[in-house]
Amino acid sequence: EAEVAQSPRYKITEKSQAVAFWCDPISGHATLYWYRQILGQGPELLVQFQDESVVDDSQLPKDRFSAERLKGVDSTLKIQPAELGDSAMYLCASSSSKIRGYYEQYFGPGTRLTVT
Amino acid sequence: DAKTTQPTSMDCAEGRAANLPCNHSTISGNEYVYWYRQIHSQGPQYIIHGLKNNETNEMASLIITEDRKSSTLILPHATLRDTAVYYCIVRVPSNTGKLIFGQGTTLQVKP
Repeated sequence: EAEVAQSPRYKITEKSQAVAFWCDPISGHATLYWYRQILGQGPELLVQFQDESVVDDSQLPKDRFSAERLKGVDSTLKIQPAELGDSAMYLCASSSSKIRGYYEQYFGPGTRLTVT
Repeated sequence: DAKTTQPTSMDCAEGRAANLPCNHSTISGNEYVYWYRQIHSQGPQYIIHGLKNNETNEMASLIITEDRKSSTLILPHATLRDTAVYYCIVRVPSNTGKLIFGQGTTLQVKP
């Protein structure tokens, strides 16, 4: 069964450093999402792509976060500089299949970021 | 999207049915009810969704009340691997729609 791939699975970085996460969605999925999940809370959308275009980045802290999906396939999420409050799980999801009007989202395993 | 209310935690004996409730009293006519679950250290996983009719798949059953103000996710024979956080989400289906997760219900299946 096809899966969403993410790397690295774990990342420890010092505050003020730059960090990047990579996501490879399920082949053929046009929509890609990045979510952030703080410990004990549900995931929250950071940015959504439709092919290579940003559809929703209203919750992305644009002063330090950036995301790109240059060829409409894989995607990179970057944080520069990292802050202590950025410690969280970063989840990537993709969707394309339409099931009775619903676009099911498939999630990757996530990247656990710890900022020290 | 309508707001949902779920119990914080529930226990269930292995092999018994797990019934997870969700209140969504402000749901509108075109909003669906979706359930996802998240096993520890993994990404969320889609379980099931429905509009007004009861739904069943290989993972679970979804019972939606006639007034659509509440629903129940049923895992007919819970196993230890079903221990997870279960999220009830109400939204209009679209290919641009984000999922808005609440706190969910932590289900602990006990041997």
